[in-house]
Amino acid sequence: LAKTTQPISMDSYEGQEVNITCSHNNIATNDYITWYQQFPSQGPRFIIQGYKTKVTNEVASLFIPADRKSSTLSLPRVSLSDTAVYYCLVGKAGNTGKLIFGQGTTLQVKP
Amino acid sequence: DAGVTQSPTHLIKTRGQQVTLRCSPKSGHDTVSWYQQALGQGPQFIFQYYEEEERQRGNFPDRFSGHQFPNYSSELNVNALLLGDSALYLCASSWTGLNTEAFFGQGTRLTVV
Repeated sequence: LAKTTQPISMDSYEGQEVNITCSHNNIATNDYITWYQQFPSQGPRFIIQGYKTKVTNEVASLFIPADRKSSTLSLPRVSLSDTAVYYCLVGKAGNTGKLIFGQGTTLQVKP
Repeated sequence: DAGVTQSPTHLIKTRGQQVTLRCSPKSGHDTVSWYQQALGQGPQFIFQYYEEEERQRGNFPDRFSGHQFPNYSSELNVNALLLGDSALYLCASSWTGLNTEAFFGQGTRLTVV
């Protein structure tokens, strides 16, 4: 399974756009990129998944360059409630078995 | 739909004791996975159950065992508790079909003293 590297922490202010980049140099051809969000004392929550180019849903956008060695999670106009840990995972689509979590990125949104 | 439910929410045990944690999967899900999350770390995969059998296992000792019942609910058992077993234990359920996501419960906070 491909290893991922993310910044340990990021700070932002309410209303700003936040971009969290994840590096996955050894991603396999059939791997997808998935992001989870976790609030304190809660389980992770699925945010978005993609394979290439751009994916957008009601919560976030995911940008994946052509070489797929990195990806960027974009959160538009963050609020205080977006303060959480964000995890980038790489694996096969539908592979809901052995999810490999790194340390994630702790996002702190300030007023 | 109640989502994934875990019990108890908090638990305090003494070193050497045994503990059982329980998980009810989201309606329609047939697969249950267990994770251990130490403070400040990401969740670590313990094992996964499907059709009442352990299908995958992470790098955890045999002190960690599990079970899945015909109604798809699951238990995680930990024997001979160590101080280092103190963590948030998360249950995730999913369906074996393709392109499905895992849904996590809120976890059980286990403290070993």
